[in-house]
Amino acid sequence: DVKVTQSSRYLVKRTGEKVFLECVQDMDHENMFWYRQDPGLGLRLIYFSYDVKMKEKGDIPEGYSVSREKKERFSLILESASTNQTSMYLCASSLGGIFTEAFFGQGTRLTVV
Amino acid sequence: GQNIDQPTEMTATEGAIVQINCTYQTSGFNGLFWYQQHAGEAPTFLSYNVLDGLEEKGRFSSFLSRSKGYSYLLLKELQMKDSASYLCAGPGTGGFKTIFGAGTRLFVKA
Repeated sequence: DVKVTQSSRYLVKRTGEKVFLECVQDMDHENMFWYRQDPGLGLRLIYFSYDVKMKEKGDIPEGYSVSREKKERFSLILESASTNQTSMYLCASSLGGIFTEAFFGQGTRLTVV
Repeated sequence: GQNIDQPTEMTATEGAIVQINCTYQTSGFNGLFWYQQHAGEAPTFLSYNVLDGLEEKGRFSSFLSRSKGYSYLLLKELQMKDSASYLCAGPGTGGFKTIFGAGTRLFVKA
């Protein structure tokens, strides 16, 4: 079974802090994604990566950056956390190519106070 | 552009059949996914349609019409455990990313 693991289930940070959300997958998938999920808005794509050291902006990249130094690990960085970044963050991975299902991590509920 | 629409909520009775619709407007669209998400959990894959027509997988079936920009998920013999959100999603521009609709919350009542 594919396993996508996010480093924290719940996180509380202060406004202005730099926040790192880590995601690791164990199935040698090429593609990795970061989404945020908010009530009524569904899942919105922040960034994705289709190869090591490659990254592409999604629909809402502002205030975020990512890092993919190794194939299995994709990190989401909030440079200076703000209260409007309070959300559920979901990491996902999929095989290379375009018609492949995504496997999700368990999510990180981030609260910025 | 890309836009995926689905109803916000639906309610159905245990043992019944329910159809959850999804419409989309996107250029270069080549197929559609359905995911299930229970409250507090991550989405899990249900089905993928790349060709027009109906794909059946046990109690769940998914239909796609590319010319009409339309898909539906059909759930038969509903069980209480089917109460969840159902997310319609498709490959985004360039194909590498997946774009999701806001999801349909299904409530199954006894």
